[in-house]
Amino acid sequence: KQEVTQIPAALSVPEGENLVLNCSFTDSAIYNLQWFRQDPGKGLTSLLLIQSSQREQTSGRLNASLDKSSGRSTLYIAASQPGDSATYLCAVEPPNDYKLSFGAGTTVTVRA
Amino acid sequence: GAVVSQHPSWVICKSGTSVKIECRSLDFQATTMFWYRQFPKQSLMLMATSNEGSKATYEQGVEKDKFLINHASLTLSTLTVTSAHPEDSSFYICSAISGNQPQHFGDGTRLSIL
Repeated sequence: KQEVTQIPAALSVPEGENLVLNCSFTDSAIYNLQWFRQDPGKGLTSLLLIQSSQREQTSGRLNASLDKSSGRSTLYIAASQPGDSATYLCAVEPPNDYKLSFGAGTTVTVRA
Repeated sequence: GAVVSQHPSWVICKSGTSVKIECRSLDFQATTMFWYRQFPKQSLMLMATSNEGSKATYEQGVEKDKFLINHASLTLSTLTVTSAHPEDSSFYICSAISGNQPQHFGDGTRLSIL
């Protein structure tokens, strides 16, 4: 059974600092990995999706890397802003199945 | 595009009542919909997979008679929590997919049972 772990569970940084969020998974046989943002009491917003054949994806200030063999992904957020405060979840999708396995998330607070 | 609407966003009801949550794909036909449950500071746990016109597939440990899922059309799935009790209080989120596209998520429903 796939297990997804996110460390740290919470992170507080001053505005402008770069953020590094970690995600690890136990089964390297994945189809893709996604990073989501979740605001309090809200659903999920997809940030980046990395296919298993890719090493990284970038969107604006966000960059996600994937090392499938070691079961790790890292989300980098450059020059953090208070609006980046949210919970960030990673999820992996196995081959031949749509079921996602989620981590518990990292709650980020960016202090102005 | 690919908008999933979930209703209601928040519901409070008395213990013993049944509550229905709707999940709609607004601008695409969803071949499959998923229902998740999320406890505070925990990950999303998949409850069931719902395919249009067929019975839902429940994950291990999820009571199918407690959580009734109906997927009557390609744009609507409903989750009914029957005879709800305080331990059923949680955040429920649906998602929908079409073909090989990634899952698109609704905004969730906060259910509070008194």
